[in-house]
Amino acid sequence: GAVVSQHPSWVICKSGTSVKIECRSLDFQATTMFWYRQFPKQSLMLMATSNEGSKATYEQGVEKDKFLINHASLTLSTLTVTSAHPEDSSFYICSARGVNSGNTIYFGEGSWLTVV
Amino acid sequence: AQKVTQAQTEISVVEKEDVTLDCVYETRDTTYYLFWYKQPPSGELVFLIRRNSFDEQNEISGRYSWNFQKSTSSFNFTITASQVVDSAVYFCALSEVLRRDDKIIFGKGTRLHILP
Repeated sequence: GAVVSQHPSWVICKSGTSVKIECRSLDFQATTMFWYRQFPKQSLMLMATSNEGSKATYEQGVEKDKFLINHASLTLSTLTVTSAHPEDSSFYICSARGVNSGNTIYFGEGSWLTVV
Repeated sequence: AQKVTQAQTEISVVEKEDVTLDCVYETRDTTYYLFWYKQPPSGELVFLIRRNSFDEQNEISGRYSWNFQKSTSSFNFTITASQVVDSAVYFCALSEVLRRDDKIIFGKGTRLHILP
């Protein structure tokens, strides 16, 4: 079946640095990818929706200059957390939908970000 | 606007008991999809079911069953003869028609503890 892969699974970075998380659809072309954020013991909050080749649509309250999303190809979307701070520490998870995925949305394994 | 409410924050049951997780949703769309996902401690989201708004048939898959009631806007999930491996956070989610830019909105989740 379709698989969405995220990398890295775990990342620790220093405060003030930037970190990039990749989301890849492995066996289908993802026309739309979604990025979610989940704080411990809380729900998944949608951050942004990205369509291949166009700018991402951010949810209210999400800083687009801080969370840069790029969806340059049909199999890859990246989330870059710029100038990371400890409060950015969270679980980030992506999902993807494609024409050939039967309109099913598949989730990646998630990435744990810790900013120290 | 769409909204998903999972009133049960945390549930504990003894192994082999049946347990029902409640989900109530709000939407103005007549066409929508409802989902249930399981999130074990490792963090990845495990897809359990997707149901479209036109299909009110109850569904059974092994020990899992779902009861969709449009009249009460509910999509409840029952685990029969629970097992310790069922311990996880379960999310109910809603998508208002899977258009190109559509997104899945999650409830806050129910943390289920199955005690041996």
